[in-house]
Amino acid sequence: DSGVTQTPKHLITATGQRVTLRCSPRSGDLSVYWYQQSLDQGLQFLIQYYNGEERAKGNILERFSAQQFPDLHSELNLSSLELGDSALYFCASSGQEAGPQHFGDGTRLSIL
Amino acid sequence: AQSVAQPEDQVNVAEGNPLTVKCTYSVSGNPYLFWYVQYPNRGLQFLLKYITGDNLVKGSYGFEAEFNKSQTSFHLKKPSALVSDSALYFCAVRDIGSNDYKLSFGAGTTVTVRA
Repeated sequence: DSGVTQTPKHLITATGQRVTLRCSPRSGDLSVYWYQQSLDQGLQFLIQYYNGEERAKGNILERFSAQQFPDLHSELNLSSLELGDSALYFCASSGQEAGPQHFGDGTRLSIL
Repeated sequence: AQSVAQPEDQVNVAEGNPLTVKCTYSVSGNPYLFWYVQYPNRGLQFLLKYITGDNLVKGSYGFEAEFNKSQTSFHLKKPSALVSDSALYFCAVRDIGSNDYKLSFGAGTTVTVRA
């Protein structure tokens, strides 16, 4: 158990809809990262938050947004969903600068 | 810019034989290097990391990795593979000089260990 909790585990929705994915980091970790894993694009970094502030941005679409709350949990919001957004979305957290990122088990998003 | 290449999509070995999963990296400065393993329907599990020091790094489940700066490689090794080592393996890199903690991952290598 990595200590990172992601909910929900599975999400099935339709094109054009909006969903929110939730992540609770390991106790004490200030950094939260979001990744998208798909068969065609592999594991892609989306965005990082550190202690409530955006720290780095990767290949994140404008339809996607995220935030980290004062209790350090994070949410990833995906809107105007398209079929191509179907993927596994992972959250990871880390504490120390040189430490590893610890991953949750992901949310599998299926767009019908 | 930082990137990782895993040149083999698949590695197949017999149980008890040595296992090697290859990784080369590219960073502007000095690297932090990581190996992760992913089992079906699970998140990535941390195996080991290289920051500084000894070029041979030991990690979880009997895995080790060798850092080679001149060849910009960080190959994962296990002296005697088990069937339970069958999984998807990812190498990742981060530039020590970057001001964020973003990791760049390779495409992954599927390891199959046959009994």
